[in-house]
Amino acid sequence: DAGITQSPRHKVTETGTPVTLRCHQTENHRYMYWYRQDPGHGLRLIHYSYGVKDTDKGEVSDGYSVSRSKTEDFLLTLESATSSQTSVYFCAISERGGTSRTSYNEQFFGPGTRLTVL
Amino acid sequence: SQKIEQNSEALNIQEGKTATLTCNYTNYSPAYLQWYRQDPGRGPVFLLLIRENEKEKRKERLKVTFDTTLKQSLFHITASQPADSATYLCALNTSGNNRKLIWGLGTSLAVNP
Repeated sequence: DAGITQSPRHKVTETGTPVTLRCHQTENHRYMYWYRQDPGHGLRLIHYSYGVKDTDKGEVSDGYSVSRSKTEDFLLTLESATSSQTSVYFCAISERGGTSRTSYNEQFFGPGTRLTVL
Repeated sequence: SQKIEQNSEALNIQEGKTATLTCNYTNYSPAYLQWYRQDPGRGPVFLLLIRENEKEKRKERLKVTFDTTLKQSLFHITASQPADSATYLCALNTSGNNRKLIWGLGTSLAVNP
């Protein structure tokens, strides 16, 4: 998994509790992404980071926040978990950001975190 | 609206045959398109990337074509093997903000021995 780890790998929590998922990389890649994957929806981008302390929203960012204080770590926080946030969460990294038509951002994914909110 | 579509039905083929998967998109002008493989319970794995000015790209038994006029990419696996059984995802960058990829739902491929 290209030097990417996610923790925890599985978590069951209750509605209303805060949850933090961690993504750690050893590749020194600048760009990091959080996705969720649900049946019928595919992979959807939650937030991404283009450098330390630089983050931006994806298409399904409501209810989620992120932080990146070091190159190697990207944290995803659910401030108050809801049942609709039950999903599989993937972290991905890329060396390039795809910010131009020649900057291809092939992405490398972690193993995923399966989160269940009861 | 912008969307990306892959064969929704699972593809079943016999070992040794060529598998062909389709990715169609509308209302995008992507600079490149990517293909990934995903096995159950695991994250997607990058396979191939093809740029807008490339018609075809090959890697071992894999071949990708990209037709920007038809707004379509075809993904071929020749001499398929049971180990090729997986879900295959296509993804493309969004015009205006290349940092974000838009993903298809994937096509499930089963190669029968």
